[in-house]
Amino acid sequence: NAGVTQTPKFRVLKTGQSMTLLCAQDMNHEYMYWYRQDPGMGLRLIHYSVGEGTTAKGEVPDGYNVSRLKKQNFLLGLESAAPSQTSVYFCASSPTGTSTEAFFGQGTRLTVV
Amino acid sequence: AQSVTQLDSQVPVFEEAPVELRCNYSSSVSVYLFWYVQYPNQGLQLLLKYLSGSTLVESINGFEAEFNKSQTSFHLRKPSVHISDTAEYFCAVIRANNAGNMLTFGGGTRLMVKP
Repeated sequence: NAGVTQTPKFRVLKTGQSMTLLCAQDMNHEYMYWYRQDPGMGLRLIHYSVGEGTTAKGEVPDGYNVSRLKKQNFLLGLESAAPSQTSVYFCASSPTGTSTEAFFGQGTRLTVV
Repeated sequence: AQSVTQLDSQVPVFEEAPVELRCNYSSSVSVYLFWYVQYPNQGLQLLLKYLSGSTLVESINGFEAEFNKSQTSFHLRKPSVHISDTAEYFCAVIRANNAGNMLTFGGGTRLMVKP
């Protein structure tokens, strides 16, 4: 049982390059999220999705885009990477209802030089 | 909007000593409260949660947290820590009746257990 899988695990980008981070979950969860983790700031929500075909902005959406074409996948795109986007990115998913436990992937460490 | 404050960024403690990791939140509406743990180079895992009912909640590995509504706190405690408890701990909230269950996290507390 894989849970939440993120691809890739590490990446180094040059300023201005683009890339897509892939998140896949096999738990049939409705909700999916992308967070970034920076020292001392905890995790901050970038974008989220409450179902297939829907996305919404979180706390820090600028410079990122997302898509949820299939229920099990949630893609995070950086169109023109900046050094400020150097971070560890976590994808998570959760079911609806009051159980409200989120399941996290292992993270993607992105460095923009 | 809600916010979460973890008052200590790092907590060093000797093995078998008690520990308390502090968490305070602010919100104009009811919230659900969580503690997540992140071991080195891993994702976050749920440690315990408070949704309703008894204000004292426990995890399977000896941690407990108490919801204090008047002080808007949800401090995490363990009476005797182990080396294996070394990790970063995040307090988080979800606004009740929130379509999407989005978590708002505190800045994290790094627990360092020394032998």
